[in-house]
Amino acid sequence: AQTVTQSQPEMSVQEAETVTLSCTYDTSESDYYLFWYKQPPSRQMILVIRQEAYKQQNATENRFSVNFQKAAKSFSLKISDSQLGDAAMYFCAYRSRDGGSQGNLIFGKGTKLSVKP
Amino acid sequence: DAGVIQSPRHEVTEMGQEVTLRCKPISGHNSLFWYRQTMMRGLELLIYFNNNVPIDDSGMPEDRFSAKMPNASFSTLKIQPSEPRDSAVYFCASTRTGTNEKLFFGSGTQLSVL
Repeated sequence: AQTVTQSQPEMSVQEAETVTLSCTYDTSESDYYLFWYKQPPSRQMILVIRQEAYKQQNATENRFSVNFQKAAKSFSLKISDSQLGDAAMYFCAYRSRDGGSQGNLIFGKGTKLSVKP
Repeated sequence: DAGVIQSPRHEVTEMGQEVTLRCKPISGHNSLFWYRQTMMRGLELLIYFNNNVPIDDSGMPEDRFSAKMPNASFSTLKIQPSEPRDSAVYFCASTRTGTNEKLFFGSGTQLSVL
């Protein structure tokens, strides 16, 4: 079974600085998706960024980028120019690409990010 | 599109009562998921449906929990009888199988069992 591990329960960053959130996963599959979701106090789960395992190029979305190391099974999220609105819980998630899983996401325990003004 | 719609947003009930949580997935999505979020255990998959059929309910904690999807636009998660340890946020999510589309989440139902 696949597992996702986020080793940092809490992180803090100064506004305008850069922060990196760690995520490792375990799988025997070769093709899959990885995601970072943001959950602000409103509770809404918001997709931040998505990476397809067969793509070597790291995904980027504006201030958000990932460092995907397939061999190491590592998928970290970098937030540049941090803003107060980035404060939230961040979840790393894994999704199998095969048909059997039907799209289910496996989540890490989350990292709570605080942004200091 | 209105997104995944869950109701109620908050539910407070007493131990032993029946609780029904509701979900309307995004039109055209054929997979629906129920997750439970607690501080201790994080986000756990309870059950998921594909084309209205339950595929995997191994995450359902016990027989007190049941879920149905009578049609493509509606699903319920029922707890009977409810217990204080069921207190959590329950999320519904949907997606279109076979694509790389993300999972779309509802706003969740905050359940408190006193």
